[in-house]
Amino acid sequence: DVKVTQSSRYLVKRTGEKVFLECVQDMDHENMFWYRQDPGLGLRLIYFSYDVKMKEKGDIPEGYSVSREKKERFSLILESASTNQTSMYLCASSSSGQHYGYTFGSGTRLTVV
Amino acid sequence: DQQVKQNSPSLSVQEGRISILNCDYTNSMFDYFLWYKKYPAEGPTFLISISSIKDKNEDGRFTVFLNKSAKHLSLHIVPSQPGDSAVYFCAAPDSGGGADGLTFGKGTHLIIQP
Repeated sequence: DVKVTQSSRYLVKRTGEKVFLECVQDMDHENMFWYRQDPGLGLRLIYFSYDVKMKEKGDIPEGYSVSREKKERFSLILESASTNQTSMYLCASSSSGQHYGYTFGSGTRLTVV
Repeated sequence: DQQVKQNSPSLSVQEGRISILNCDYTNSMFDYFLWYKKYPAEGPTFLISISSIKDKNEDGRFTVFLNKSAKHLSLHIVPSQPGDSAVYFCAAPDSGGGADGLTFGKGTHLIIQP
């Protein structure tokens, strides 16, 4: 069964901490994405990557960075966590050969206190 | 500027009846649309899609209708079951192939009442 795995389901961090959210996919997908989901706002794209070491800003990149050193792994980094980054973070991947076949991870519920 | 709009935050339907979830879009360049279903504390899962060259796509209890002239699509669930209670997102790819991400609506929380 193909999977997108996010390393943590729940995470609590303090304001100002550097936070790493890890995502691994086992489908050999080229494209990987980070979204956040907030009530009343739906899913918003933070960053995406269509190849190793490539990254592109999504709709709300401020306060975040990403790293993709290997094809299967895409990390989201909160350089200095703030309370407005409390959210559900969702990683997804897709293959360029399979149009629109996005697979999502189970999400990481991050709370910044 | 919201390119994909779901104007109903929630919808309550009796079990066995039809559920109709609506979605409007503004970008006439969108050529493909998808519906995702999301349970609490889980990631969204793909439900059904439709290409802009079609006006209907059916998969079991789920049917999506596309009205290009009105820039409107709808998801019909018949008959509605308790397990259908979830948040439903309408989405469209930002570019051909979706490599640049999907634009999602804000979601509609469907509640199926016994």
